[in-house]
Amino acid sequence: GAGVSQSPSNKVTEKGKDVELRCDPISGHTALYWYRQSLGQGLEFLIYFQGNSAPDKSGLPSDRFSAERTGGSVSTLTIQRTQQEDSAVYLCASSLEGTPSRRLNIQYFGAGTRLSVL
Amino acid sequence: GENVEQHPSTLSVQEGDSAVIKCTYSDSASNYFPWYKQELGKGPQLIIDIRSNVGEKKDQRIAVTLNKTAKHFSLHITETQPEDSAVYFCAASIRGGTASKLTFGTGTRLQVTL
Repeated sequence: GAGVSQSPSNKVTEKGKDVELRCDPISGHTALYWYRQSLGQGLEFLIYFQGNSAPDKSGLPSDRFSAERTGGSVSTLTIQRTQQEDSAVYLCASSLEGTPSRRLNIQYFGAGTRLSVL
Repeated sequence: GENVEQHPSTLSVQEGDSAVIKCTYSDSASNYFPWYKQELGKGPQLIIDIRSNVGEKKDQRIAVTLNKTAKHFSLHITETQPEDSAVYFCAASIRGGTASKLTFGTGTRLQVTL
């Protein structure tokens, strides 16, 4: 089936505007992750959702960042009042929630959304 | 929290030679170590992973070794080919049977020259 899908692939916005980035995980995957990749850097964890549990928001850099996952499937990452330092590639990944007896939790990544804040 | 360091940041090898990328981690509780390959304009793709109860794992031309005592792990690519050119990321996480976040290294840009 289809892999992780992210939209838009590119987003150019003006400083101070709000943006929404969308992630469609692999069907049936219960865990969904957002990461940020700045130029020349590794991937920085932002937030993850796992089934019906409260999301782990420990990686969100400021209260301008928020995310939601509706119906346990599609997720939206929202950045309010964007700043130039928010420019990066935002990557989404999904995985199956596993148990100790299963090979589990391989994270499959989308191609990302490249955000440019002018 | 976990901290993962990765070296070198760039690596150039001739086709057919071997390439080695090294990572160290800080949290002794980490027990899962995947390696991802990222090609230009694409998301990272898992190429191999290893758990802390295993010292080495091999898949064709790719192998990963883990030294738990020293808290370092390495990726070895033998008989490199031009299509191996990409950015490689190591990562670490704690697996307890449920999903958990990955902490990534800063990446190694591998260039395989003809």
